[in-house]
Amino acid sequence: KQEVTQIPAALSVPEGENLVLNCSFTDSAIYNLQWFRQDPGKGLTSLLLIQSSQREQTSGRLNASLDKSSGRSTLYIAASQPGDSATYLCAVSSGNTPLVFGKGTRLSVIA
Amino acid sequence: EPEVTQTPSHQVTQMGQEVILRCVPISNHLYFYWYRQILGQKVEFLVSFYNNEISEKSEIFDDQFSVERPDGSNFTLKIRSTKLEDSAMYFCASSIDRDQPQHFGDGTRLSIL
Repeated sequence: KQEVTQIPAALSVPEGENLVLNCSFTDSAIYNLQWFRQDPGKGLTSLLLIQSSQREQTSGRLNASLDKSSGRSTLYIAASQPGDSATYLCAVSSGNTPLVFGKGTRLSVIA
Repeated sequence: EPEVTQTPSHQVTQMGQEVILRCVPISNHLYFYWYRQILGQKVEFLVSFYNNEISEKSEIFDDQFSVERPDGSNFTLKIRSTKLEDSAMYFCASSIDRDQPQHFGDGTRLSIL
């Protein structure tokens, strides 16, 4: 059964810092991996999707990498801003489950 | 930008009552999903729907649950006889294809009393 773990559970950084969020999964037989952002009381906003054949995806200040063989992904956020404060969720698609989620990393960017 | 819309935003129901949660997926999307998130816990997959039938479902999606696409736009989740443990945020999502990004609605907060 696929398990997704995200470390750290919470992170607080000053504005302007670059940061890395980590995601690991137990079964490397995935179709794709998706990073989401969740604001309090809101739904999930899709940030990036990496197919299993890809190594990374970039969107603006965000860069996500995938190392399928080691079961890891990272989300790199450059030049963080207070508006980046949210919970970031990693989810993998594998087997008969469209998405298996991690518990998320709660990010606070302090002005 | 097109979005997934869910109604109501908050539903309060007595235990044992039936509840229907409604979703309007993005219009050109073909795959539809329901997820739930119990307070403080992970988002969990419930069911996926394609070509007017269930394509995948989790262990959570037992006989108490059903899904329907009654017309060309709505996608509904019905819980027949609600239990206290059904209290959660329920998210609807849709995607163009199985391996394309899923787009989520803002959710319905279901509170069972």
